[in-house]
Amino acid sequence: DSGVTQTPKHLITATGQRVTLRCSPRSGDLSVYWYQQSLDQGLQFLIQYYNGEERAKGNILERFSAQQFPDLHSELNLSSLELGDSALYFCASSVAGAAYEQYFGPGTRLTVT
Amino acid sequence: TQLLEQSPQFLSIQEGENLTVYCNSSSVFSSLQWYRQEPGEGPVLLVTVVTGGEVKKLKRLTFQFGDARKDSSLHITAAQPGDTGLYLCAGGSSNTGKLIFGQGTTLQVKP
Repeated sequence: DSGVTQTPKHLITATGQRVTLRCSPRSGDLSVYWYQQSLDQGLQFLIQYYNGEERAKGNILERFSAQQFPDLHSELNLSSLELGDSALYFCASSVAGAAYEQYFGPGTRLTVT
Repeated sequence: TQLLEQSPQFLSIQEGENLTVYCNSSSVFSSLQWYRQEPGEGPVLLVTVVTGGEVKKLKRLTFQFGDARKDSSLHITAAQPGDTGLYLCAGGSSNTGKLIFGQGTTLQVKP
């Protein structure tokens, strides 16, 4: 158990819909990262927040957005969902803002039908 | 664009054999992490190396960071069925949290 929690574990929704994935980092960690894992693309970095502020951005679609709240939990919002958005979405956390020692949550499996 | 290439992509061996997984890039990374992932679960951090030439050991696993900090290797001695899984290397930057992941090596150890 990494100490990072993610909800829900599974999510099935239809194309065009909007969903919100939630992540709580390990106690004491200030950084939260979001990753997408698909069979063809592997594990891809989406976005990082550090102490409430956006720190780094990867290949995140404009239909996707994220935020980190004062209690440091984070939410990833996915809108206008397409079939290709079906993937595992992982949240990771670390103490500092740099890339070392990231601890991953169990993931949310999103299926878009 | 920073890329990490892992080889081999798939490895199926018998229990007791030794193996090495390679992670190569043309880019310099400030840190290199190795993760192990089970199906449907999140990656679990095995080790972080930050110094060129650094070698770290974790029981039967030996990790090495290249002198130029562009490549790394994972060596498993006397593999066991419990070592079965997806092994991922990831390179990090010192000024952002972005990790660049390799495509992974799927290891199957048969009893």
